[in-house]
Amino acid sequence: EPEVTQTPSHQVTQMGQEVILRCVPISNHLYFYWYRQILGQKVEFLVSFYNNEISEKSEIFDDQFSVERPDGSNFTLKIRSTKLEDSAMYFCASSETSGEYNEQFFGPGTRLTVL
Amino acid sequence: DQQVKQNSPSLSVQEGRISILNCDYTNSMFDYFLWYKKYPAEGPTFLISISSIKDKNEDGRFTVFLNKSAKHLSLHIVPSQPGDSAVYFCAASITGNQFYFGTGTSLTVIP
Repeated sequence: EPEVTQTPSHQVTQMGQEVILRCVPISNHLYFYWYRQILGQKVEFLVSFYNNEISEKSEIFDDQFSVERPDGSNFTLKIRSTKLEDSAMYFCASSETSGEYNEQFFGPGTRLTVL
Repeated sequence: DQQVKQNSPSLSVQEGRISILNCDYTNSMFDYFLWYKKYPAEGPTFLISISSIKDKNEDGRFTVFLNKSAKHLSLHIVPSQPGDSAVYFCAASITGNQFYFGTGTSLTVIP
C-alpha cells in the first residue's frame, strides 16, 4: 500500500539554525500539506500546496517557513531560523483531491527538537 | 483557536459495544469534516469524512453523523474492537484544504 514517508524521524538543532524537513508524498497525489503538533496540543495546519504553489497557509506559517517541491517527488518544509517554540512533531500529508473527498494521508512525522 | 472542540479527553468502552465520540464546532462556514485515528508515534490515519450536504456517512463499522444546526458531529464505532483503541481526532474545514483539528479523544476498548 502506498504511503507518505518523512525523513528524518528525529531532528535536533540549535536555536537559530536552519532545518529542512523532507517528505515523499504518495506518487499520484496532487495536494500536499504540512501540519505540526506541539507536545500535548492539537494538530495544527501550516500550509497546503498545489500546482507548485501555496494554496492556503495559516497564521503560524510566517516568513520563517517555506515549502518547496524541488524535484517532482520530494516536498520539503524549511524553517530558516529555528526558535525554541518550533519544537514539535511535523507531519506531512498528501491527497488526490481537495474538498469533499479530501482523504489526506499522513506520514509518520518528524520530531523536531530545538535546543 | 477553539473552533473545533472534543470535550471528552478519554472514553472507555467494552469490546462489542458501541463507541460514540463527539465533536463540536463554532464556525458555521465549515463544510468538510474528517475523523482521524492516531496511534502513538504514528501519523493520523484517515477514517471517514462527511460534507455539509449530508447528515450521515457510513463505512463498515464507522458512521459519522452531522448535525449542522447544532454544529455537532459524532463518530459511532459498532462493534468496538480492542484494535480501535487509539486517539481520535475530528477536523473541520471551510475549503477542504485547511483543516482545524480538535484536541482528540483517547478511546480504550476493554476486551
